[in-house]
Amino acid sequence: QKEVEQNSGPLSVPEGAIASLNCTYSDRGSQSFFWYRQYSGKSPELIMFIYSNGDKEDGRFTAQLNKASQYVSLLIRDSQPSDSATYLCAVNTDTGRRALTFGSGTRLQVQP
Amino acid sequence: KAGVTQTPRYLIKTRGQQVTLSCSPISGHRSVSWYQQTPGQGLQFLFEYFSETQRNKGNFPGRFSGRQFSNSRSEMNVSTLELGDSALYLCASSVSSSGGEQYFGPGTRLTVT
Repeated sequence: QKEVEQNSGPLSVPEGAIASLNCTYSDRGSQSFFWYRQYSGKSPELIMFIYSNGDKEDGRFTAQLNKASQYVSLLIRDSQPSDSATYLCAVNTDTGRRALTFGSGTRLQVQP
Repeated sequence: KAGVTQTPRYLIKTRGQQVTLSCSPISGHRSVSWYQQTPGQGLQFLFEYFSETQRNKGNFPGRFSGRQFSNSRSEMNVSTLELGDSALYLCASSVSSSGGEQYFGPGTRLTVT
């Protein structure tokens, strides 16, 4: 079982819709959770991080964390074609470490 | 504030050669982590440096090494290059020493022929 799992997609949504990206992790001791956006040929860009159970909102993005169920999700409201990218879920699986374990990413396509 | 910088951006090397990649973190960031990204394996952790000390190492052979200088700049070295080392090498910097947010540089694209 992979430590961090994501559906590879592609996830296709129409412009203006809500895109929902999901990620599950195996280590119950995981402390920190991150979402990165990566455009083709570019490096990952940090867009959200969440440390506590519940929701965290930043503009059109909402990160949701449920430690009991070991999943973290990212909602993108009012999706735009410019949101089309691969979204990587990353988890800090060991307390005190700075190593991130990444999922394989979900490719999002927003159709105009 | 300037972001993470990496040099060179592109490299072509031959099998058996060695290569050194450089990373300058965001000003004030003392932790630098290195990752390898390939289409088949995704993003994998190589190692992390904080205050000139290697704090953690991923599951890579000893041909991969690194160091950090007193100004927090970091270098990674790959010796005896293999075709499978062709990848995008990314460094990420962070402020804290406790698993906080990491910000990536643009990466160095290494091609081994």
